Parts: sequence; C-alpha cells; structure tokens
Amino acid sequence: GAGVSQSPRYKVAKRGQDVALRCDPISGHVSLFWYQQALGQGPEFLTYFQNEAQLDKSGLPSDRFFAERPEGSVSTLKIQRTQQEDSAVYLCASSSQLVGGQEQFFGPGTRLTVL
Amino acid sequence: GESVGLHLPTLSVQEGDNSIINCAYSNSASDYFIWYKQESGKGPQFIIDIRSNMDKRQGQRVTVLLNKTVKHLSLQIAATQPGDSAVYFCAENSGNTPLVFGKGTRLSVIA
Repeated sequence: GAGVSQSPRYKVAKRGQDVALRCDPISGHVSLFWYQQALGQGPEFLTYFQNEAQLDKSGLPSDRFFAERPEGSVSTLKIQRTQQEDSAVYLCASSSQLVGGQEQFFGPGTRLTVL
Repeated sequence: GESVGLHLPTLSVQEGDNSIINCAYSNSASDYFIWYKQESGKGPQFIIDIRSNMDKRQGQRVTVLLNKTVKHLSLQIAATQPGDSAVYFCAENSGNTPLVFGKGTRLSVIA
C-alpha cells in the first residue's frame, strides 16, 4: 500500500503565525512518531503516539508545540506563534509495532520556513 | 528539493569500490540499531538493522557490523553505485525509548 504521506510539503510562515502539519501513516500502523530535522543534522525525536494515546512528548521543545492523533490514524503537529528557530524539516514516521526495536517508515517531511 | 546535510562529514568513493560508513554510539544499554539512507528532499529510508545479540548482519550489497565493546557500528556497501549517493544515518534505541539518530555521513560516489 501507500507509504507515509505528509502535507504540506513546504510551508512558509511569518513569525508569530500558527501552523498545522499533517501526517497520514501507513494504514494499520499503531505507532506514530514526529521528528524535527535541522539542516545538517539527524532527526530529533519530538513525540510518539500509540494509537490515539500520546505516550511520550518529551522531545517537544516548548509548549508552543502540540500534537494530536484523535482517531489513532492521521496526526497533526501544531506549532503556535512560530519563531525563526522553528525552521526545520518535520518528519513523521509510523511503525506496525510498539516503539522499541523495529523499523520506522518515514514520510517525505514538511519543510517549514519561518520568516 | 532541499539539501540535507550541508556540513556533514563526507565520504567520497569511486563507483564500483566498497564503502564503509562508521558510527559511534554512547548508550551502552542500546539494543537495537538501524541504518537509514536519506536523499535530498526525501525522508529517511530503511537500509538494514541489527539487534545487540548479533555482531554482523548482511543484506543485499550491505553489511552492518556491531562492536558492543567499543560501541561502534559500521555500514559496508559493496560495489558502490551512483544511486547510493545520499546521507546515511545510524540510529539506536533500547526497550521503549525513542530512536536516537547520529549526525550522519554524506556518501558521494564518483562515476
């Protein structure tokens, strides 16, 4: 079937605007992850869902970042009052099993640029 | 698409040669390791994984070696092709902890 999809692929926001990034995981995958990837760096963990439950949000950099997965499938990462340091690629990944010790399938990412 | 890893360590190899990409990890409790390939404008793509009860695993043209004593992981690519040009990341975790990614290495294949 289809892989992980993300939208939009590119987003330009003015500082202070709110943005919402969408992730459609592979159908049936129970685990969903959000990562932030700065230019020249590896992805850094933001948050993790098992079905609709957000089990780990330790990587969210501030309370301006909020993620949800209300029906256990599609997830949205929301960033309020965006700042320039939020500029990065936001990656979503899904997995068929629990968080540890298995392959995660990544989407193409959303590149956010905050002006 | 956007560039990935403008300032990463770079490994340049001739087409047809073997490539070895290295990764050091810090968490001695990590028990799962994975290599991802990331091309410009795309998300990371799975290459191969290995668990801590193994020290070597082979795939198609790729081999991963794990040395737990020195906390070192390597990816070997046989007969490197231009399509192998990308940024390669190692990642690790243990139990139910999130994947922790390394800084990445850019592989450049010279035709």
